[in-house]
Amino acid sequence: DGGITQSPKYLFRKEGQNVTLSCEQNLNHDAMYWYRQDPGQGLRLIYYSQIVNDFQKGDIAEGYSVSREKKESFPLTVTSAQKNPTAFYLCASSIPGVRPTFGDGTRLSIL
Amino acid sequence: LAKTTQPISMDSYEGQEVNITCSHNNIATNDYITWYQQFPSQGPRFIIQGYKTKVTNEVASLFIPADRKSSTLSLPRVSLSDTAVYYCLVGDLDTGRRALTFGSGTRLQVQP
Repeated sequence: DGGITQSPKYLFRKEGQNVTLSCEQNLNHDAMYWYRQDPGQGLRLIYYSQIVNDFQKGDIAEGYSVSREKKESFPLTVTSAQKNPTAFYLCASSIPGVRPTFGDGTRLSIL
Repeated sequence: LAKTTQPISMDSYEGQEVNITCSHNNIATNDYITWYQQFPSQGPRFIIQGYKTKVTNEVASLFIPADRKSSTLSLPRVSLSDTAVYYCLVGDLDTGRRALTFGSGTRLQVQP
């Protein structure tokens, strides 16, 4: 059954530590996206990638980094430079002409 | 990028029809309009997508006027389970050249 898998569903980290959120898709989609969602707010784009080994900053890329070494994977690292990392993180993927498909998100909490 | 504007919230009662409008004044020629539904702590789920005129599926209808500067999602006979946040997404899906940016969404509360 095809889809997007985000793991873990809940993640806790100490302040000052880097943390990496996983996003894997088996839909053979070329494009992948990371969004951040704060309580009661909409989705804000962090990074997106149209093809392997290429990615672009979204609206709120500061304090985050990504890699796209494989088509199926688009991990997001929340660095210690991100001032307020506690949020709900959503990964999505798409191909030209098809609307994005979303994972079920990872809720990150900084202790 | 096409910026979208939606009402922050709407209230309705079970069995009523709900219409949610999204404004996208600078929509581009290649942009599609897609609507998503999101429940708390879940990813957005696709509802309907269109380019112009009217599109209907088993759960909703999407009305797009000729100038395409707005669109209206219509939910017939809502139930309590339709309580969710609804997002309008406008973007160039064919080429994927541009990032897909969401608006702030409309929080729909359905009362018994």
